[in-house]
Amino acid sequence: AQSVTQLDSQVPVFEEAPVELRCNYSSSVSVYLFWYVQYPNQGLQLLLKYLSGSTLVKGINGFEAEFNKSQTSFHLRKPSVHISDTAEYFCAVGESNYQLIWGAGTKLIIKP
Amino acid sequence: KAGVTQTPRYLIKTRGQQVTLSCSPISGHRSVSWYQQTPGQGLQFLFEYFSETQRNKGNFPGRFSGRQFSNSRSEMNVSTLELGDSALYLCASSTGQGNTEAFFGQGTRLTVV
Repeated sequence: AQSVTQLDSQVPVFEEAPVELRCNYSSSVSVYLFWYVQYPNQGLQLLLKYLSGSTLVKGINGFEAEFNKSQTSFHLRKPSVHISDTAEYFCAVGESNYQLIWGAGTKLIIKP
Repeated sequence: KAGVTQTPRYLIKTRGQQVTLSCSPISGHRSVSWYQQTPGQGLQFLFEYFSETQRNKGNFPGRFSGRQFSNSRSEMNVSTLELGDSALYLCASSTGQGNTEAFFGQGTRLTVV
């Protein structure tokens, strides 16, 4: 069965520094890949998604992610973070049975 | 276009009671999924309904049940509430295709005392 691993439960980073949030999934069968963000006391919001085509995907708020099929990874990056990026970030994999498999989430902590 | 609406936003119940949560998906969406989110367990999938049928189910006891109506609105019911059921319950709607995004509501915060 498919599983999604977000290796870091928390990532502290200084404001204006770059950040990478890691996501690995278990199956190399055709999948759809998503990153969602959850701000405090809110639901989840889509940041970006990979369905097919270019392996570099750009999303909202300056985030981007790279799909690496050989490493079964879909890491999220931002070149310069802002205090407003403080949130929890979730990686998800969509399968042909229409179910989304979720990672445990990574809390991004921005230090001033 | 209106987003996903969950009601109520906050709820306090006593152990042993039952509760019903409601979710109105985005117009035209036929799939509604429910999740439980707690600090310890993260985001856990409860079940998914598509065109009034339960299509996928997570690993939760039978006290957790749901249904979907012909207008795609969905309800989730938890019977015989336990303290451990305290959580944020999130509903997500989508077209139901595997390659489309899910749109989330703001959630219902359930506290069991």
